[in-house]
Amino acid sequence: GNSVTQMEGPVTLSEEAFLTINCTYTATGYPSLFWYVQYPGEGLQLLLKATKADDKGSNKGFEATYRKETTSFHLEKGSVQVSDSAVYFCALRRAGGGADGLTFGKGTHLIIQP
Amino acid sequence: GAVVSQHPSWVICKSGTSVKIECRSLDFQATTMFWYRQFPKQSLMLMATSNEGSKATYEQGVEKDKFLINHASLTLSTLTVTSAHPEDSSFYICSAVGATSYEQYFGPGTRLTVT
Repeated sequence: GNSVTQMEGPVTLSEEAFLTINCTYTATGYPSLFWYVQYPGEGLQLLLKATKADDKGSNKGFEATYRKETTSFHLEKGSVQVSDSAVYFCALRRAGGGADGLTFGKGTHLIIQP
Repeated sequence: GAVVSQHPSWVICKSGTSVKIECRSLDFQATTMFWYRQFPKQSLMLMATSNEGSKATYEQGVEKDKFLINHASLTLSTLTVTSAHPEDSSFYICSAVGATSYEQYFGPGTRLTVT
């Protein structure tokens, strides 16, 4: 079946540091890939997505590239801010599964210190 | 943007009782709603998919008689945990999909504690 593996947290960085959160997946075909962010007390929000190989999703300074050859979708940001502190979830939706539920990783708690 | 609410945000109930959790799409019509369950430090696990006016589709291993899902309107889905036991204690999260795109909008979650 489908699965998503992401690095365990918490990840603690200083403000303006470079961020990478690793995410790899197992799925058949070409699933759609997502990063969601959850701020304290709020629901998950879509951060970015990519639907085919070599696509790059980007939003709010975050980027992730769909790498079919390594089955990865690592999240990166060049300079993090305190406001980026949150839990980040990598997720996939199976190929062709437009209205299907998502398969999530365990989430990575990111803490940015001033 | 699209907003999804859940009620209650937290609930404590006694073992053997039933508890209902509501999921509402506040500013759009949700053709499909999903229910997820999240254990501490674990990923969200899809429990079931519900489409308005039809029976929910449950994931393998989820007891349909224990977790009753009703999607009676395009803005409301309910999850009822029947005869709750302490092992049902968890964080339950719903999401909703509108008619114009497949993007899922998530509720803030409901913390259930069964004593």
